[in-house]
Amino acid sequence: DIQMTQSPSTLSASVGDRVTITCRASQSISSWLAWYQQKPGKAPKLLIYKASSLESGVPSRFSGSGSGTEFTLTISSLQPDDFATYYCQQYNSWWTFGQGTKVEIK
Amino acid sequence: QVQLVQSGAEVKKPGASVKVSCKASGYTFTSYDINWVRQATGQGLEWMGWMNPNSGNTGYAQKFQGRVTMTRNTSISTAYMELSSLRSEDTAVYYCARGNRAVGAFDIWGQGTMVTVSS
Repeated sequence: DIQMTQSPSTLSASVGDRVTITCRASQSISSWLAWYQQKPGKAPKLLIYKASSLESGVPSRFSGSGSGTEFTLTISSLQPDDFATYYCQQYNSWWTFGQGTKVEIK
Repeated sequence: QVQLVQSGAEVKKPGASVKVSCKASGYTFTSYDINWVRQATGQGLEWMGWMNPNSGNTGYAQKFQGRVTMTRNTSISTAYMELSSLRSEDTAVYYCARGNRAVGAFDIWGQGTMVTVSS
């Protein structure tokens, strides 16, 4: 099974900050990676697919990069609505999620 | 609009089974896969399995092999996930999610169904 490891587990930031979350795969997954945002009590929401493609309707401050085993999600200027938990997901071989990164208010 | 609507919360005793439904609307049910993902309270997301509603083909995570069954009724655009031999560790919110092959990821999610396993 492919394991996904996110870092950090928790991130404290302020509105307007540039935020970067890292996701590492235990083996190469090419660009078969997605990022989701989840708020408390809600279902996850797709933000990024194929490592860097922005899902329709998602603000352009979100961006993704990487290939192979290392990937990043960047929020260029953190907004109040962005405080949430973020998950990466590989779909090179079945589907596996990372353990999540909680972005909290500093 | 495109949506997945799941059945309501369930409380089950250990050893019992639970069957959660997921009704699709706003798109052609048989054109997209349905996946099931669960999340224990305060924990991360765990993929359980996948079903092609057109063919009925399924694939399950090894952890759930032998305990989970995914089915569908195409006449009412509804997918089902049944989990048997429930134990307390199965207490979680269960989500269905549409698998979009064009993007490879899960682009539409149900609202979630809370399943509580307690004696």
